[in-house]
Amino acid sequence: QVQLVQSGAEVKMPGASVKVSCKASGYTFTAYYIHWVRQAPGQGLEWMGWINPNDGDTNYAQKFQGWVTMTRDPSLNTVYMELGRLTYDDTAVYYCVRDTAPAGRWDFDYWGQGTLVTVPS
Amino acid sequence: QTVVTQEPSVTVSPGGTVTLTCTSSTGAVTSAYYPNWFQQKPGQPPRSLIYGTTNKHSWTPARFSGSLLGGKAALTVSGVQPEDEADYYCLLYYGGAAGMFGGGTKLTVL
Repeated sequence: QVQLVQSGAEVKMPGASVKVSCKASGYTFTAYYIHWVRQAPGQGLEWMGWINPNDGDTNYAQKFQGWVTMTRDPSLNTVYMELGRLTYDDTAVYYCVRDTAPAGRWDFDYWGQGTLVTVPS
Repeated sequence: QTVVTQEPSVTVSPGGTVTLTCTSSTGAVTSAYYPNWFQQKPGQPPRSLIYGTTNKHSWTPARFSGSLLGGKAALTVSGVQPEDEADYYCLLYYGGAAGMFGGGTKLTVL
């Protein structure tokens, strides 16, 4: 069965960076894009960007350009999301989610369990 | 700045029918936006319900359906169950490899 398993909760100081992993199983890792979405406490969902696990191509939301880096390791069936220069406002649960659509549309299906990143004020 | 808008909260009686909508500040929502809909309960990750405007996943209960309604994306729940109480989010694809979530609708079953 398809699963996306994320790394554990993190506490980071302001100005630091965090790297969250998302390990895929139950399907061909390189076949589908992975998106990252975050949710601040009590707030809605915010799309951050996607990575193509096949070739490492990425696209980031304008807000996160120059600030987020998404990478992948096909040998581990794992994608990573690194966010730098953390501030209190980056405290959120970060999710990875699979996209099974061909290029030019998005079809989200399976979600990771989420990773809480806390940046103390 | 593009904004995707949903009703902040909606209340429905058990067994009733409710339609949640999703609008874009850029104009009418069409099938080219490939609307997705998600359900999220407290403390859980979102669960995908609908993709490509009308398509259901294998786990999506039959009472949930997606459509376009008067220039908006819509999610209809027919025969609402108590367990449908949750937050619901839409996602619109804007091309250029960019997309945006709506602010979410809190559905109360009362």
